[in-house]
Amino acid sequence: AQSVSQHNHHVILSEAASLELGCNYSYGGTVNLFWYVQYPGQHLQLLLKYFSGDPLVKGIKGFEAEFIKSKFSFNLRKPSVQWSDTAEYFCAVNAGSGGGADGLTFGKGTHLIIQP
Amino acid sequence: EAGVAQSPRYKIIEKRQSVAFWCNPISGHATLYWYQQILGQGPKLLIQFQNNGVVDDSQLPKDRFSAERLKGVDSTLKIQPAKLEDSAVYLCASSPGTFDRYTDTQYFGPGTRLTVL
Repeated sequence: AQSVSQHNHHVILSEAASLELGCNYSYGGTVNLFWYVQYPGQHLQLLLKYFSGDPLVKGIKGFEAEFIKSKFSFNLRKPSVQWSDTAEYFCAVNAGSGGGADGLTFGKGTHLIIQP
Repeated sequence: EAGVAQSPRYKIIEKRQSVAFWCNPISGHATLYWYQQILGQGPKLLIQFQNNGVVDDSQLPKDRFSAERLKGVDSTLKIQPAKLEDSAVYLCASSPGTFDRYTDTQYFGPGTRLTVL
């Protein structure tokens, strides 16, 4: 079974600061990796995903993530955050061949607060 | 495009009572999921349907939880009887179900917040 660990449960940054949220997974085989975001009062929505190929993936709203297989990591980054990035961020993994359609295993989430 | 609909949005019950949640997926989506999100944790998959068949229910506590997806569209999740530890947000999600790993994506509903007293 897979598991996901997110290192920081609460992060507070100022606008324009750079962001990196850590995510490590535990699974010995091929995995599919995801970052989801939940803005205040809104649904969970997909930020970006990695299935194969270029380990640096770009998502919506200027976010990117890098898959490092040797470290079992999939860290989320953004060079300059905005107040509107305040949200809960979840890293998720599945191990099926169905990609995004297979059930997901989520981390506990990181609550990000951006101060104006 | 309408999103995933869930009702009710909030429910408060006493322990040992029964409760049911309803989900209407995005039109045409073959795959439907129920997740449980306890406060301070990430969502946990309870059950996954492909059309009206169960794909994965390995984490569903079957002694008290049940789910069905009649006719392969709407779904209901029931808890009978509820325990204090069932207090959580219950999320429904759907995906096209093509299992094209590059395009198939799960879309989440707003969730039902259950409080068991």
